[in-house]
Amino acid sequence: EAQVTQNPRYLITVTGKKLTVTCSQNMNHEYMSWYRQDPGLGLRQIYYSMNVEVTDKGDVPEGYKVSRKEKRNFPLILESPSPNQTSLYFCASRPRAPGTGLREQYFGPGTRLTVT
Amino acid sequence: GESVGLHLPTLSVQEGDNSIINCAYSNSASDYFIWYKQESGKGPQFIIDIRSNMDKRQGQRVTVLLNKTVKHLSLQIAATQPGDSAVYFCAENVVSGGYQKVTFGTGTKLQVIP
Repeated sequence: EAQVTQNPRYLITVTGKKLTVTCSQNMNHEYMSWYRQDPGLGLRQIYYSMNVEVTDKGDVPEGYKVSRKEKRNFPLILESPSPNQTSLYFCASRPRAPGTGLREQYFGPGTRLTVT
Repeated sequence: GESVGLHLPTLSVQEGDNSIINCAYSNSASDYFIWYKQESGKGPQFIIDIRSNMDKRQGQRVTVLLNKTVKHLSLQIAATQPGDSAVYFCAENVVSGGYQKVTFGTGTKLQVIP
C-alpha cells in the first residue's frame, strides 16, 4: 500500500529541547516536502527536497532543518523549538513532475506538536 | 482527531443533497488547480484537478468548475453522503521564473446531516 508515515503523531515538548519528526515514503518518489497547518491559514511549505542530498527552503523555513540522506526518508528537525512552532505538521511526497505531479502527492497523517 | 481550523466556514448539507464548496484564488497566472479532502486525523487527499484551459471537469460524484474571469473555483459533490464530511480546500499552482509555487486555501468544513 502506497503511504507516507510520520512519527510521532503527537508530541508535547518544552522550549529549546531539540526534536526530530521522521517521515518515510514507500513510493520511490523523488520529491518530498514538509508543511505546517495552522488555524486560519492554508498549508505552508517549510522545506522541500527534489532528490537525495537536494533540499531547499519553502515559505516558512525559519527554525527548522531537514536532511535527505536516503530517498525514502525526510526528517524534520527543530533544533530549539519555540511556542510559535506549535502546529500540525504534514510530510508529503510525489513524483518530481511539475504541475500535475501534484495529483499524485501523498500526505502523511500529520504530527500534532505542542511547544510549551 | 486533529482539527485543522477552529473557525473554518462550515457548510451543513442534508444527506442526499448536492454540496457546493467555493474557493477564490489569488493569482491570475495560476495554471492548475486541485481540490483536497481532509478528514479528521488524516492528511489531505487529492480529489480532482483542473487545468486553466478548462472550465469544467467531472469525476465520480464530483465536478470542479473554474471561472478565470473572477478567479473562482467551485467543487460540487452530488448526492452527498456522511463519508463526505471533511474539510475541503483548494490549491493553485503557478510556475514563475522556473519555480513552481503552490498556494493552499484555508478550507471549508462540510457537515453532512444524516
